[in-house]
Amino acid sequence: DVKVTQSSRYLVKRTGEKVFLECVQDMDHENMFWYRQDPGLGLRLIYFSYDVKMKEKGDIPEGYSVSREKKERFSLILESASTNQTSMYLCASSPEITGSNQPQHFGDGTRLSIL
Amino acid sequence: AQKVTQAQTEISVVEKEDVTLDCVYETRDTTYYLFWYKQPPSGELVFLIRRNSFDEQNEISGRYSWNFQKSTSSFNFTITASQVVDSAVYFCALGSGYSTLTFGKGTMLLVSP
Repeated sequence: DVKVTQSSRYLVKRTGEKVFLECVQDMDHENMFWYRQDPGLGLRLIYFSYDVKMKEKGDIPEGYSVSREKKERFSLILESASTNQTSMYLCASSPEITGSNQPQHFGDGTRLSIL
Repeated sequence: AQKVTQAQTEISVVEKEDVTLDCVYETRDTTYYLFWYKQPPSGELVFLIRRNSFDEQNEISGRYSWNFQKSTSSFNFTITASQVVDSAVYFCALGSGYSTLTFGKGTMLLVSP
């Protein structure tokens, strides 16, 4: 089974802090994704990566950056956390970059609160 | 641009009732894929089914069934004899060869005993 592991289930940080959310997958997938989930808004794509050191902006990249130094690991970085970044963050991986034949596999999510 | 609409924000049923979750999609691609995911209270999105645009056969898996109709651009999901464990948020998603997955906003299903 595909396993996508997010480093924290719950995280509380302060405004202005630099925050790192880590995600690791064990299926040698080329592609990894970061989403945020908010009530009434569904899942919105922040960034994705199709190869090591490669990244592409999703629909809502402002205030975020990402890092992919190794194939299995994809980090989401909040450069200077703000209260409007309080949300549920979901990481996913897939052998396909597009929404093609293979589904994306998701981690358990990180509930991030910015105080 | 691709779009997925899940018009039902929240549905409440009593155990053993049948329930249908609606999903309507928009795409200009002729080849595309439709997905359903389940998100229980624990948070992880669980993949349920994938259907490609060339296969309009309905699918049944236990108490779950899916009705894909290209004529109405719909991919509806029915749970027969619902159970409390079916309580979750359900997402419909659309993908094609030229874009990342587009998710609907989700339907929260609450099944009461």
